[in-house]
Amino acid sequence: AQSVTQLGSHVSVSEGALVLLRCNYSSSVPPYLFWYVQYPNQGLQLLLKYTTGATLVKGINGFEAEFKKSETSFHLTKPSAHMSDAAEYFCAVSGEGGTSYGKLTFGQGTILTVHP
Amino acid sequence: DAGVIQSPRHEVTEMGQEVTLRCKPISGHNSLFWYRQTMMRGLELLIYFNNNVPIDDSGMPEDRFSAKMPNASFSTLKIQPSEPRDSAVYFCASSLSRSWLSRDTQYFGPGTRLTVL
Repeated sequence: AQSVTQLGSHVSVSEGALVLLRCNYSSSVPPYLFWYVQYPNQGLQLLLKYTTGATLVKGINGFEAEFKKSETSFHLTKPSAHMSDAAEYFCAVSGEGGTSYGKLTFGQGTILTVHP
Repeated sequence: DAGVIQSPRHEVTEMGQEVTLRCKPISGHNSLFWYRQTMMRGLELLIYFNNNVPIDDSGMPEDRFSAKMPNASFSTLKIQPSEPRDSAVYFCASSLSRSWLSRDTQYFGPGTRLTVL
């Protein structure tokens, strides 16, 4: 079955520093991959997604992620962190087939803290 | 355009009581998903519907949980009887997916925070 591992439950950066949130996945079929962000007491908001084609995906708020099949990774980056980026980030992979095709499996989440 | 609407936003109840959570998906969306979020287990898919038909309910924890989608614009998740371990945030999400073979983006509601005392 498909799975997602997010390395690091907490990441702390300084404002203006590079943000790197790691995600590795497992899937027996070509995956669709997603990054969502959750602000306190809110629902999940889509940051970006990879389906097929270009492996570098650009999303909202200056975030981007690169799909690397050989490494089964889909890491999220942002060149310069803002205070407003502080939130929890979730990586997710689509199902592998049958009735699970439309399902998402989420990682455990990474809490990003941004220091002034 | 309105996003996914959930009600109530907060629910506090006592063990043994029936709880009903409600969801209105984005207009025109064909798939609806119910998730539960807890610190221990993270985000778990409970059930999902496509064209008002339940496609996969393998995540429903036990018979105390039931979900319905009587029409394209409304779904309920019911817990009867509720237990303290059901305390969690319950999210509803919807997507355009016209069939269960599609993998369209899911759009999430704000969630219902359930506390069972």
